[in-house]
Amino acid sequence: GENVEQHPSTLSVQEGDSAVIKCTYSDSASNYFPWYKQELGKRPQLIIDIRSNVGEKKDQRIAVTLNKTAKHFSLHITETQPEDSAVYFCAAKGSSNTGKLIFGQGTTLQVKP
Amino acid sequence: NAGVTQTPKFRVLKTGQSMTLLCAQDMNHEYMYWYRQDPGMGLRLIHYSVGEGTTAKGEVPDGYNVSRLKKQNFLLGLESAAPSQTSVYFCASRVWGRRETQYFGPGTRLLVL
Repeated sequence: GENVEQHPSTLSVQEGDSAVIKCTYSDSASNYFPWYKQELGKRPQLIIDIRSNVGEKKDQRIAVTLNKTAKHFSLHITETQPEDSAVYFCAAKGSSNTGKLIFGQGTTLQVKP
Repeated sequence: NAGVTQTPKFRVLKTGQSMTLLCAQDMNHEYMYWYRQDPGMGLRLIHYSVGEGTTAKGEVPDGYNVSRLKKQNFLLGLESAAPSQTSVYFCASRVWGRRETQYFGPGTRLLVL
């Protein structure tokens, strides 16, 4: 079945450093890849997404890259701040019209001041 | 707009009891989804709906039933609760078309004793 693997499960960085979270997906027909941020006790919220016809997308301090050949995509956060501390989830959507997302297991990011 | 709301916020059940979780959205979204979130396992899709009157199974549908009698509401039912159903349940919705973003509700924390 469809699967998304996310690594690492936990990541600790110093404030100001960069953080990278990586995901791999199994369904080569996947065409949409969102990233969600979930603060403790809150709902997941979309922070950035990318479609399969684009290799990279950037929004201020966050960027996502996609390698369709290798079926990899990554989240990059630069100049990390304590408020970036949260759980981050990647997801992949297949080509069907159901909109179903398959989520990775999540990465807990801790930014130390 | 309230967005996506969920009722109740927290519930304790005894094994074998039944309950219904309500998800409501006021964004006129066609698609609605029920997920469960467990530590280290990300968000797993239970059931989903692509429109009023339709429902379909996701990754982990066993032990749950759903109904979508009205476009704005998506109900998740547990007929005979089991301790393995202790989890945080999130509802999400999205509009039909190329805008892929799923908007999540605040979650329902369920404890089955």
